[in-house]
Amino acid sequence: AQSVSQHNHHVILSEAASLELGCNYSYGGTVNLFWYVQYPGQHLQLLLKYFSGDPLVKGIKGFEAEFIKSKFSFNLRKPSVQWSDTAEYFCAVNAQTGANNLFFGTGTRLTVIP
Amino acid sequence: GAGVSQTPSNKVTEKGKYVELRCDPISGHTALYWYRQSLGQGPEFLIYFQGTGAADDSGLPNDRFFAVRPEGSVSTLKIQRTERGDSAVYLCASSPPGARPGANVLTFGAGSRLTVL
Repeated sequence: AQSVSQHNHHVILSEAASLELGCNYSYGGTVNLFWYVQYPGQHLQLLLKYFSGDPLVKGIKGFEAEFIKSKFSFNLRKPSVQWSDTAEYFCAVNAQTGANNLFFGTGTRLTVIP
Repeated sequence: GAGVSQTPSNKVTEKGKYVELRCDPISGHTALYWYRQSLGQGPEFLIYFQGTGAADDSGLPNDRFFAVRPEGSVSTLKIQRTERGDSAVYLCASSPPGARPGANVLTFGAGSRLTVL
């Protein structure tokens, strides 16, 4: 079965700082990778996804993530965060064969201080 | 509808009672998923429907949990003899047909917060 590790539980940054949130997964086969975001009081929304091709994927609101297969990682980055990026961020993975259910990490809470 | 709709948004019940949570997916989405999110945790998979049938129910924690989707649209998650440990936010998601395995993008509802006293 797949599993996902997000090592940063809570990250606090000032506006304009750069962001990198770690995500590592364990699975021996080919995977699809996702980052979801949950803003305060809102439901989970897709931020970006990787299925195949260019390992550097760009999502909404200036976020990007890089799939490094050798490191089983899919870290999320943003060069300059804004106060409105304050949210909980979840990394998720599923196998490219078999069931469609996603396995989520425990999430990273990002607080951006204006 | 425009999004995934879940009712009720909040449910408080007593230990031992029976609870039903409803999910109305996006129109035309054939796949429907139930997840459970406990405080401080990521969503945990419960069950996945493709059409009317449960394609994967391996995440249901025990036989007190059951879900149906009789007409391939609305789904109901049923919890019997609720326990305090069942308190969580129950999330529903749906995805459209046709994508290759695993490549479906899930659209989530706002969730139903269940509190068992």
